[in-house]
Amino acid sequence: NAGVTQTPKFQVLKTGQSMTLQCAQDMNHEYMSWYRQDPGMGLRLIHYSVGAGITDQGEVPNGYNVSRSTTEDFPLRLLSAAPSQTSVYFCASSPLGRHSGNTIYFGEGSWLTVV
Amino acid sequence: EDKVVQSPLSLVVHEGDTVTLNCSYEVTNFRSLLWYKQEKKAPTFLFMLTSSGIEKKSGRLSSILDKKELFSILNITATQTGDSAVYLCAVDPPSGSARQLTFGSGTQLTVLP
Repeated sequence: NAGVTQTPKFQVLKTGQSMTLQCAQDMNHEYMSWYRQDPGMGLRLIHYSVGAGITDQGEVPNGYNVSRSTTEDFPLRLLSAAPSQTSVYFCASSPLGRHSGNTIYFGEGSWLTVV
Repeated sequence: EDKVVQSPLSLVVHEGDTVTLNCSYEVTNFRSLLWYKQEKKAPTFLFMLTSSGIEKKSGRLSSILDKKELFSILNITATQTGDSAVYLCAVDPPSGSARQLTFGSGTQLTVLP
């Protein structure tokens, strides 16, 4: 059971480039989300999805797009990368319709640097 | 908007010391308060607190929630270098709420040998 798989683990982008962070889970979880973590800022919610075909914005959605065409996959797209998007990104999933308690499964993180 | 504030932002202690980490919140109502440990990778779950005044313990770690004063503390006794990590607290909104899990900024704990 692979859990939540994020790729790539490390990426360096130039300002203005686009890229997609991939997230896949094999646990048939309804709820998936993307967080970013900056020094001293904790985890901030970017986008989330309560099921295939349904996405919604979190606290810091600007500059990011998501889609949820299947239950398993929840990619995060940066359309035109900016240095302010340098961060660590975590994908997470939960079996319920939301993150709750100890039922959050995190990916291992993606370290993104925009130069 | 839910607000979760952790203090101190960072803390440096020596092995054997006892530390208390604080988490205060400005949330109208919630289902539970959660504590996580993060060591340069994904957070790992420590505690879920739902009732005020009931201490949760796991080895040298313990935590308690005060719903009247709107805070929680995480205690670590006899600290070890392996306790060095960022400790995050988060507030879990009630069932049926459109609000999402809100994390605090974390406390960076460094335990020196």
